[in-house]
Amino acid sequence: IVMTQTPLSLSVTPGQPASISCKSSQSLLHSDGNTFLYWYLQKPGQSPQLLIYEISSRFSGVPDRFSGSGSGTDFTLKISRVEADDVGVYYCMQTLQLPFTFGGGTKVEIK
Amino acid sequence: QVTLKESGPALVKPTQTLTLTCTFSGFSLSTRGKRINWFRQPPGKALEWLARIDWDDDKFYNPALKTRLTISKDTSKNQVVLTMTNMDPVDTATYYCARIGSYTYGSLDDNWGQGTLVTVSS
Repeated sequence: IVMTQTPLSLSVTPGQPASISCKSSQSLLHSDGNTFLYWYLQKPGQSPQLLIYEISSRFSGVPDRFSGSGSGTDFTLKISRVEADDVGVYYCMQTLQLPFTFGGGTKVEIK
Repeated sequence: QVTLKESGPALVKPTQTLTLTCTFSGFSLSTRGKRINWFRQPPGKALEWLARIDWDDDKFYNPALKTRLTISKDTSKNQVVLTMTNMDPVDTATYYCARIGSYTYGSLDDNWGQGTLVTVSS
């Protein structure tokens, strides 16, 4: 499954919203009704950290500024008010089938 | 508290075999449903999934690398080992082990090691 993210990069003013798109080459909907789309943030020099799983469920400890939406093959990660701590590269990943695959990443920086 | 840590050589020569060890704590890989994955990330590039081993010793590999990878576990030592043969400079990357996709007491597991940078050069 090929995952395509846009844009490649974003420069955002603190307090402003940001949105990242991720498209999969086939539906990520499982027969059990779950959709296996994850969003990760990789801060500079760190390991990836999970933000959102199954399209829209926030992982433990993730601020509610982060939200996920979408269905089937089209997904979006939104940050309602970007903070300085949000800089890094955001990746979508599908876990519907092996091999798990990632989008190319979206680099978010602060203006 | 769950932790994972990768270890292995920082430098390997082309054609050599890379052996990486993931040492973890805070859970047992003999527990039903648990699994450990290996990922890698070339400098400045995106993440790539490599392999997975499950609690029941099922093993899965990225088809693009399947002929070069072997994953195994030592449950008594809380370790998972990944070997990659015939290393090439394009295999230069940070290698991560991670426990993802399983559940503990109804909560999703998502734990990553700090990663280990492996450089392939003569």
